[in-house]
Amino acid sequence: GQNIDQPTEMTATEGAIVQINCTYQTSGFNGLFWYQQHAGEAPTFLSYNVLDGLEEKGRFSSFLSRSKGYSYLLLKELQMKDSASYLCAVPFSGGYNKLIFGAGTRLAVHP
Amino acid sequence: DTAVSQTPKYLVTQMGNDKSIKCEQNLGHDTMYWYKQDSKKFLKIMFSYNNKELIINETVPNRFSPKSPDKAHLNLHINSLELGDSAVYFCASSLRTSGQETQYFGPGTRLLVL
Repeated sequence: GQNIDQPTEMTATEGAIVQINCTYQTSGFNGLFWYQQHAGEAPTFLSYNVLDGLEEKGRFSSFLSRSKGYSYLLLKELQMKDSASYLCAVPFSGGYNKLIFGAGTRLAVHP
Repeated sequence: DTAVSQTPKYLVTQMGNDKSIKCEQNLGHDTMYWYKQDSKKFLKIMFSYNNKELIINETVPNRFSPKSPDKAHLNLHINSLELGDSAVYFCASSLRTSGQETQYFGPGTRLLVL
């Protein structure tokens, strides 16, 4: 089966850096996605990692270690608008683009 | 220029009623999906169609019936609505069915069954 774990909630201060972790178990690996979801809105794509290492995209970076079944999303220079849920997801190993989502990490950014 | 759109945005109805939700994408994608997000915010796939063909059908009550008239549209009909059906339903699309394809989500339909 497949399993994804991420912390339920995190808080951080405006201007700071926060790291949101995700661990996964899957029988086959086809990459890992991070999505952002503001309250009452749709999930929006942030990043996709399929190779080990860090991928940087502006203030947001995503890291993957396939051997450890581990990923993190790094948010720098936090802004109030970054308050949202961050969803880690992996494609189901059985085929097709069936995404298995973690429960999401709700991030609250305070002034 | 909405990429993935859904109607209605809100749906309040009585138990036992039948309702439909519609989804359209103008991205030229081949694959579309229905997800359910419950009160705990857990997002779970229900169905997927590729070029009008059903390819993913999760363990969902048969009261839920998806229909894809063409690859740009995917509708969801729900019969005999129950209280537990209250949730946000998201439509999504991706270019293809490959596991590496990014999925783009619609704004969601908030269903409340009374």
